[in-house]
Amino acid sequence: DTEVTQTPKHLVMGMTNKKSLKCEQHMGHRAMYWYKQKAKKPPELMFVYSYEKLSINESVPSRFSPECPNSSLLNLHLHALQPEDSALYLCASSQGSASSYEQYFGPGTRLTVT
Amino acid sequence: LAKTTQPISMDSYEGQEVNITCSHNNIATNDYITWYQQFPSQGPRFIIQGYKTKVTNEVASLFIPADRKSSTLSLPRVSLSDTAVYYCLAPNDYKLSFGAGTTVTVRA
Repeated sequence: DTEVTQTPKHLVMGMTNKKSLKCEQHMGHRAMYWYKQKAKKPPELMFVYSYEKLSINESVPSRFSPECPNSSLLNLHLHALQPEDSALYLCASSQGSASSYEQYFGPGTRLTVT
Repeated sequence: LAKTTQPISMDSYEGQEVNITCSHNNIATNDYITWYQQFPSQGPRFIIQGYKTKVTNEVASLFIPADRKSSTLSLPRVSLSDTAVYYCLAPNDYKLSFGAGTTVTVRA
């Protein structure tokens, strides 16, 4: 199984809502990532978890809160988002966090903040 | 300032070879360069990865010169289904950084 799954596929939320994005992989990978991608732009790294510990936070606003409950799951909790946070949120995993490991990406969650 | 740069777009015809060059001017000694393909509304998909000289797999080749300040992805004999955005991913100043992406359009 070389698949990374993400739920939901689409999410519409108001600025006062709290929601969560979920990501799952069963490849035994020990590094997991959250990226944000705006239309016609490259993915921007948000967070990296290595062995279930947060290793990189790219100065992401606190309204985005990541969580790694176990080695297969990665969540992104959303609260008080702004319309400019609307984007495709991609999850990825790899065997390790070094650049020598290829990343496997999920299909993404299309988030719209109203 | 370290940056990963690549051309914005390239046009080609079926059966031709497409070469896309990425510049990564401050890559560390131990870092790899990776290329991904992305179709609309999908996540990026791994194409090829390399550290130095030349790497080839069943879909592409990757050429990396000795100074490692750039890399060239070569797609042999492209088809219409190769129309996509191609991203170079290289650590610059120890930070993972995607290039802006090259939109490759293959015409019949």
